[in-house]
Amino acid sequence: GAVVSQHPSRVICKSGTSVKIECRSLDFQATTMFWYRQFPKKSLMLMATSNEGSKATYEQGVEKDKFLINHASLTLSTLTVTSAHPEDSSFYICSARLGTEAFFGQGTRLTVV
Amino acid sequence: QQQVKQSPQSLIVQKGGISIINCAYENTAFDYFPWYQQFPGKGPALLIAIRPDVSEKKEGRFTISFNKSAKQFSLHIMDSQPGDSATYFCAASKGPGNQFYFGTGTSLTVIP
Repeated sequence: GAVVSQHPSRVICKSGTSVKIECRSLDFQATTMFWYRQFPKKSLMLMATSNEGSKATYEQGVEKDKFLINHASLTLSTLTVTSAHPEDSSFYICSARLGTEAFFGQGTRLTVV
Repeated sequence: QQQVKQSPQSLIVQKGGISIINCAYENTAFDYFPWYQQFPGKGPALLIAIRPDVSEKKEGRFTISFNKSAKQFSLHIMDSQPGDSATYFCAASKGPGNQFYFGTGTSLTVIP
């Protein structure tokens, strides 16, 4: 099946710094990618829809200026958590659709200390 | 508002038994219903999926049953194995390229 690669898998950063997470579709082009946040033992919460060549669409309650999304090419979307705080610590997952199917990255565990 | 409702929240099954997880939806525009399996610290992986024009789909030990009139679908895992212990999510979407709406997840534990 199609592969979506997410990097890094784990990152620890200090409060106030920014962290960038990359999501790549390795063997297909994705005009749309999705970014999710998942709390322990909870479901995936859609944060934003990343559209190649245009602005991302954010879900209600998600701060655009805090979670910057860039989809500069058909195979790469990035999520930057700016001025990170401990409450931003979470598991972030990206996804890309190929036809009807959705393929997920392996997730990024962000810990803000 | 939860677009897809999933139950049970957790499930414990003996090895060799049948695991059954249920989901219900309201939006009749949904046209694709996948199930995902997620292990701790990993992203979800597609397990099996069904479209509303089919009432059942089987792949190996995994079967989706779909009831369009009741707006319900379920995952059956036959001959459950300890390696099946994971969290399972149902989902629904409308049209290709659009977002998925996920259920709340079911933590399955298969005991030897």
